Amino acid sequence: AQSVTQLGSHVSVSEGALVLLRCNYSSSVPPYLFWYVQYPNQGLQLLLKYTSAATLVKGINGFEAEFKKSETSFHLTKPSAHMSDAAEYFCAVSDRGNDMRFGAGTRLTVKP
Amino acid sequence: EPEVTQTPSHQVTQMGQEVILRCVPISNHLYFYWYRQILGQKVEFLVSFYNNEISEKSEIFDDQFSVERPDGSNFTLKIRSTKLEDSAMYFCASSPDRGAEKLFFGSGTQLSVL
Repeated sequence: AQSVTQLGSHVSVSEGALVLLRCNYSSSVPPYLFWYVQYPNQGLQLLLKYTSAATLVKGINGFEAEFKKSETSFHLTKPSAHMSDAAEYFCAVSDRGNDMRFGAGTRLTVKP
Repeated sequence: EPEVTQTPSHQVTQMGQEVILRCVPISNHLYFYWYRQILGQKVEFLVSFYNNEISEKSEIFDDQFSVERPDGSNFTLKIRSTKLEDSAMYFCASSPDRGAEKLFFGSGTQLSVL
């Protein structure tokens, strides 16, 4: 069965600094990988997804993620953090079927 | 842009009561899902539904849970006799065909069991 591990339940960066949220996956088949963002009291919003096309995936709000098969990783990055990026971020994996497995989430705090 | 709609946004109920959470999936979608997120924990898959029957369910989805598509638009999750540990955010999702890469999530219903 597939799974994801998010390294770091809480990440804090200064405004304008690089954002790096780590995600490693485990899957017995080529996976689909996703990053979702959840703002306080809101639902899950898809940031970006990897579905076996380009390994560098660009998403909304300036985020991007790179699929690295050799490292079984799908880390999320943004060159310059903005205050509005403060939220909970979830990495998720699918085996290309219906089942999607989420990581435990990483809370991003952005300091002024 | 089409969206998955969930009502109510917040639901408070007494332990032991039945509760029904409602979802209106995107109109041309065929696969429907429920996920839940207990406060501070990860989002967990509960059940998927296709062609008027459950296609997959997790170990969380026990006999206290049921799903139904009573008409052409609604998709409901019923908890027969709520427990304190059922308190969570429940997310509905839908997709046009099989494959999680096309999932659209609703904004969730926060269920509080007192």
